[in-house]
Amino acid sequence: GAVVSQHPSRVICKSGTSVKIECRSLDFQATTMFWYRQFPKQSLMLMATSNEGSKATYEQGVEKDKFLINHASLTLSTLTVTSAHPEDSSFYICSAQGGNDYGYTFGSGTRLTVV
Amino acid sequence: DAKTTQPTSMDCAEGRAANLPCNHSTISGNEYVYWYRQIHSQGPQYIIHGLKNNETNEMASLIITEDRKSSTLILPHATLRDTAVYYCIVGVRSGANNLFFGTGTRLTVIP
Repeated sequence: GAVVSQHPSRVICKSGTSVKIECRSLDFQATTMFWYRQFPKQSLMLMATSNEGSKATYEQGVEKDKFLINHASLTLSTLTVTSAHPEDSSFYICSAQGGNDYGYTFGSGTRLTVV
Repeated sequence: DAKTTQPTSMDCAEGRAANLPCNHSTISGNEYVYWYRQIHSQGPQYIIHGLKNNETNEMASLIITEDRKSSTLILPHATLRDTAVYYCIVGVRSGANNLFFGTGTRLTVIP
């Protein structure tokens, strides 16, 4: 079945630094990928929709200059959290569309802790 | 803009069937019903999906009412590893449309 690989699984960074998270579709091409954020004991909240070869579409309230999304190929989307602060600490999850008959496959998530 | 309503939590005895209900009264004709689950600190795992017919796979069964306004996910023989948050989601299968996650049902399987 379709597999989405997300790396790293967990990262700890210092406040003010930037962190890049990768999301790869391993055995299919994904024109569209989605980035979610999940705070403790809450549901997944969509941050942005990433389209290959074009600019990402961000949800209301998500700072596009802080959360940089690049979808340069049909198998890779990256989310860079710039100038991270402790309030950015969260569980980030990507999802790719395609590769199976139900449409949506999720990565395993990245636990970001900003200290 | 929640499209689904689910109970916040449910318990189920190990080995028994777990029946998780979901209301989606505003579902559109081209929207599917998806079920995903999320085990702590992992990404959501696909379980099953359907349009209007009942569906069964190796993990679960999905029963959709004739008017498509509600559905039930059935785990036939719950195990401790089935303890997770179960999300019922409605959405289209293609196009740049994300899946909107509601609050889900926290299922606890009890030994």
